[in-house]
Amino acid sequence: ETGVTQSPTHLIKTRGQQVTLRCSSQSGHNTVSWYQQALGQGPQFIFQYYREEENGRGNFPPRFSGLQFPNYSSELNVNALELDDSALYLCASSPGVGAGGYTFGSGTRLTVV
Amino acid sequence: DAKTTQPNSMESNEEEPVHLPCNHSTISGTDYIHWYRQLPSQGPEYVIHGLTSNVNNRMASLAIAEDRKSSTLILHRATLRDAAVYYCILRDVGGSQGNLIFGKGTKLSVKP
Repeated sequence: ETGVTQSPTHLIKTRGQQVTLRCSSQSGHNTVSWYQQALGQGPQFIFQYYREEENGRGNFPPRFSGLQFPNYSSELNVNALELDDSALYLCASSPGVGAGGYTFGSGTRLTVV
Repeated sequence: DAKTTQPNSMESNEEEPVHLPCNHSTISGTDYIHWYRQLPSQGPEYVIHGLTSNVNNRMASLAIAEDRKSSTLILHRATLRDAAVYYCILRDVGGSQGNLIFGKGTKLSVKP
């Protein structure tokens, strides 16, 4: 059983650019959530996808968008990057909404300069 | 989701038990109590969850107060690998969204 895989592991972008982060969910999991974790803080919920539809969103602006594919993998896109977007971006999958525990990936460390 | 309160940090000695407390005085009847931990340079890892009764698994035990306003995560014999930030989270079992609301958690240090 493979876990959650995220790519890339590290990324450096310039302010104003766009970025796409990718996540492969754990086998058998149809729900994917994305979180942003600033240094020294707990992860903050960005949004969740269930069966390719957005199923909830946290307090993030529309320039944060996402997709879920038929194989349940997912992308997080961030447009017009700002310096404050520098953070660890975590993807988590689960076998269903509200079902048991989530499996997290190791994250993508994004640095905006 | 209701809020939880945890100490910022705790210390333990290796091979001794650790009791990590969590207060959730505004918990509702449909809130499950979840614990996750985050080791350095890794994503959070599910530890355990429960509703009313105490729970045990291979990683830890969860003791839930009778009034459910507090709970304690118990690591029976701490190892150096248990040094992590531990998060106590409430999740509504009936909610349509499954997002987790993380606080700052408790940073556990384990001394050899």
